[in-house]
Amino acid sequence: GNSVTQMEGPVTLSEEAFLTINCTYTATGYPSLFWYVQYPGEGLQLLLKATKADDKGSNKGFEATYRKETTSFHLEKGSVQVSDSAVYFCALSLSGGSYIPTFGRGTSLIVHP
Amino acid sequence: DTAVSQTPKYLVTQMGNDKSIKCEQNLGHDTMYWYKQDSKKFLKIMFSYNNKELIINETVPNRFSPKSPDKAHLNLHINSLELGDSAVYFCASSQAQGITEAFFGQGTRLTVV
Repeated sequence: GNSVTQMEGPVTLSEEAFLTINCTYTATGYPSLFWYVQYPGEGLQLLLKATKADDKGSNKGFEATYRKETTSFHLEKGSVQVSDSAVYFCALSLSGGSYIPTFGRGTSLIVHP
Repeated sequence: DTAVSQTPKYLVTQMGNDKSIKCEQNLGHDTMYWYKQDSKKFLKIMFSYNNKELIINETVPNRFSPKSPDKAHLNLHINSLELGDSAVYFCASSQAQGITEAFFGQGTRLTVV
């Protein structure tokens, strides 16, 4: 079956530190890959996506590259801010009649001033 | 305009009661979902509907019954509420065809006392 594995959190960083959140996946076929962010008290919102191998998704200073050879989609940001504190979810989706998005367990990020 | 809206945002009720959560999307999407998020932020798919028809029904007690009067609405009715039903419930939607992201509502925090 399809699955997404994320590093466990919480990840605690100081402002302006470099961020990496690891994500690996297992899928039958060729999935699209996503990172979603959930701020406190809100629903999930799309942060970035990549639809094929070697694509790089980017948004708000965050980046992730679709690595088919390592089945990975790690999230990175060069300099985090306090406002980046949230829960980050890696997800995959496949086309098909019974398509549903598959989410990782989420990684909480806490950024201190 | 809110793309996916859920009501109510908060719901506190006693064990044994019956309650409903409503969801509407104005994105013209064909597919809608209900997810349950536990206290550790884990997202579990409950139901998926495509064009008003149920296509996914994960292992969920039959006290939970989704209803889709049209493809823009997917409501969740819960009978005989139990303490373990306390969680945040998210409605989401996406295009049925192709590999696209899901759009989430703000969530309904259900507390059963």
